[in-house]
Amino acid sequence: GAGVSQSPSNKVTEKGKDVELRCDPISGHTALYWYRQSLGQGLEFLIYFQGNSAPDKSGLPSDRFSAERTGGSVSTLTIQRTQQEDSAVYLCASSLSDVYGNTIYFGEGSWLTVV
Amino acid sequence: QKEVEQDPGPLSVPEGAIVSLNCTYSNSAFQYFMWYRQYSRKGPELLMYTYSSGNKEDGRFTAQVDKSSKYISLFIRDSQPSDSATYLCAMSADTGRRALTFGSGTRLQVQP
Repeated sequence: GAGVSQSPSNKVTEKGKDVELRCDPISGHTALYWYRQSLGQGLEFLIYFQGNSAPDKSGLPSDRFSAERTGGSVSTLTIQRTQQEDSAVYLCASSLSDVYGNTIYFGEGSWLTVV
Repeated sequence: QKEVEQDPGPLSVPEGAIVSLNCTYSNSAFQYFMWYRQYSRKGPELLMYTYSSGNKEDGRFTAQVDKSSKYISLFIRDSQPSDSATYLCAMSADTGRRALTFGSGTRLQVQP
C-alpha cells in the first residue's frame, strides 16, 4: 500500500500477556518511529530506527518494551508482561531519510487494551 | 514541565470563524515546527511545516513561529465542520534526537 500499515488495528489482551505490534513503513522510507498516545494525551516517543544504525531507544518506558526492525523495513514492537497502564494507541511512522526536520507519515495505529 | 505545552481544549467555534491554536515550548534548540491534524481513531496527518521563524500560508491555514517568545500558532480561516479534529503541534531541533516532540493536542469542534 501507499501508506504506513499497522497491525493489528485493535488488540485486547489480559494483564501479564505479551503482545506484538507490527509496522510496515512506506516503501523506500529508511527512518521508522514508534510513538505511544494515551487517551487525551499527546504523542510520546518510544524508539527510532534509521537504516543499519543503532536504534534510538531513549523513549522506551521500561525493559518490558522492545522493538526490532528486520531487513530495514518491517518493524515489530513487543510489550512483555503487559500492564493496564500500557493501554494506549501505538503509532508507527516513517520518513524518507534521517534528515533533521524530515516530514514523518503516520499509520492508523494499533489500539491496545489491557484488561 | 513539559517541553511543549498546548491547551487541550475543547475549543468550540461556529462555522466560518477564525480559529487560533497555539503552543509554547521551552527548548530553544527547536528549529522545525509542524502542525498535525488527527481525526478520531486515525493517525496524525501533516498540515503545515515551518523552519525557524516566520509565517507560512497554505489555503485557509497559516502557521506562525515566534522563536524569541518560543510560541507557535496555527490559524484556520473560514473554519468548516470538517476541520473538527485534534490539532497537534510538533517540533524538533537540528541536533540530537531526530524524533519529533509533540504537544498534547487541542480538540477543535466547528459547529455548523
